[in-house]
Amino acid sequence: GDSVTQMEGPVTLSEEAFLTINCTYTATGYPSLFWYVQYPGEGLQLLLKATKADDKGSNKGFEATYRKETTSFHLEKGSVQVSDSAVYFCALRRQTGANNLFFGTGTRLTVIP
Amino acid sequence: ETGVTQTPRHLVMGMTNKKSLKCEQHLGHNAMYWYKQSAKKPLELMFVYSLEERVENNSVPSRFSPECPNSSHLFLHLHTLQPEDSALYLCASSQTLQGTANTGELFFGEGSRLTVL
Repeated sequence: GDSVTQMEGPVTLSEEAFLTINCTYTATGYPSLFWYVQYPGEGLQLLLKATKADDKGSNKGFEATYRKETTSFHLEKGSVQVSDSAVYFCALRRQTGANNLFFGTGTRLTVIP
Repeated sequence: ETGVTQTPRHLVMGMTNKKSLKCEQHLGHNAMYWYKQSAKKPLELMFVYSLEERVENNSVPSRFSPECPNSSHLFLHLHTLQPEDSALYLCASSQTLQGTANTGELFFGEGSRLTVL
């Protein structure tokens, strides 16, 4: 079945460090891919998305590229800030069905000054 | 006012209690969802409603009972829960079952943290 696997974490980085959070997926067809972020005490909110192969999603300095050949959608940011501390969820949405959105386990990022 | 509001934010209950979680969305969306968030597990989809009709019941124990009286409100009724049911319960909404137009996005509430003693 469809699924998403992301690095477990937690990840701790110093401010201005480079961030990569790995995400790979298993899916039939051509899913859309998402990164959601959950800040402390809040619900999940969409960070970025990509709907087809080679699309690059970007927002708030974060980027992820839909790589069909490696079935990956790794999240990157060149210089993290303390305010980026949160839990990041990779997700895929397949094209059909009511139960069509699959999330990873989440990766907790802590950025220290 | 946030788009999706959940109450209560925190709930502690014994195994014999009956309680309810409430979700309200102010976005005019037609689909609403209950998810369970447990540590080190993927978000688990519990229930999906579209236009007040339940379209997905993801093998959830009957001690969880959803109710969707209208497209803006969603409840999760809790009865004789177990300690392993302790988790963060997230409500979400989207424009349609395929997410929100152009983004496929779900909008989440802040969650209700449930502790079962």
